[in-house]
Amino acid sequence: DIQMTQSPSSLSASVGDRVTITCRASQGIRNDLGWYQQKPGKAPKRLIYAASSLQGGVPSRFSGSGSGTEFTLTISSLQPEDFATYYCLQYNNYPYTFGQGTKLEIK
Amino acid sequence: EVQLVESGGALVQPGGSLRLSCAGSGFTFSNYWMTWVRQAPGKGLEWVANIKQDGSEKHHVDSRFTISRDNAENSLYLQMNGLRAEDTAVYYCAGGGAAGWWGQGTLVTVSS
Repeated sequence: DIQMTQSPSSLSASVGDRVTITCRASQGIRNDLGWYQQKPGKAPKRLIYAASSLQGGVPSRFSGSGSGTEFTLTISSLQPEDFATYYCLQYNNYPYTFGQGTKLEIK
Repeated sequence: EVQLVESGGALVQPGGSLRLSCAGSGFTFSNYWMTWVRQAPGKGLEWVANIKQDGSEKHHVDSRFTISRDNAENSLYLQMNGLRAEDTAVYYCAGGGAAGWWGQGTLVTVSS
């Protein structure tokens, strides 16, 4: 199985900060990666697909990059509604696997 | 409006079986791969299974689970057998093979 390692596992930041979350795959997955945001008690929401394509309706302050084994999700200027947990998902190889999550908290 | 509504979650004893359902609306259900993802209490997300548009290709993380679909009814199913305490989770239905849009989830609790 492909292991997806996210870092950091938690992060404290302030409104207006630029934040980067990283996901590393245990083997190459081309650009078959998505990023998801989950707020407490709610279903996840996809932000990014194909590593860097923004899902419709998602604010442009979210961006994704990377290919192969290393990927990043960047939030250019944190807004209050962005405090949540973020997950990556590789869909290159079965079984698909999620990263363990990054909890983004208010500093 | 695209909508996915899961149902069928319940309290079940260890070793028991359960069938989850997911009703899709607001999109052409038969055009999309469909996926199940679960989340144990306080834990991360775990991909469970997905199924091709016509049902001809299926993938599962566990052989105790079987995914199926009925395109005439715009419905997705997950048959779960031999349930264990560690299967306790919220089960989400998602549209697309890579989970592009999600339902609100249904809770499965495995306990005696």
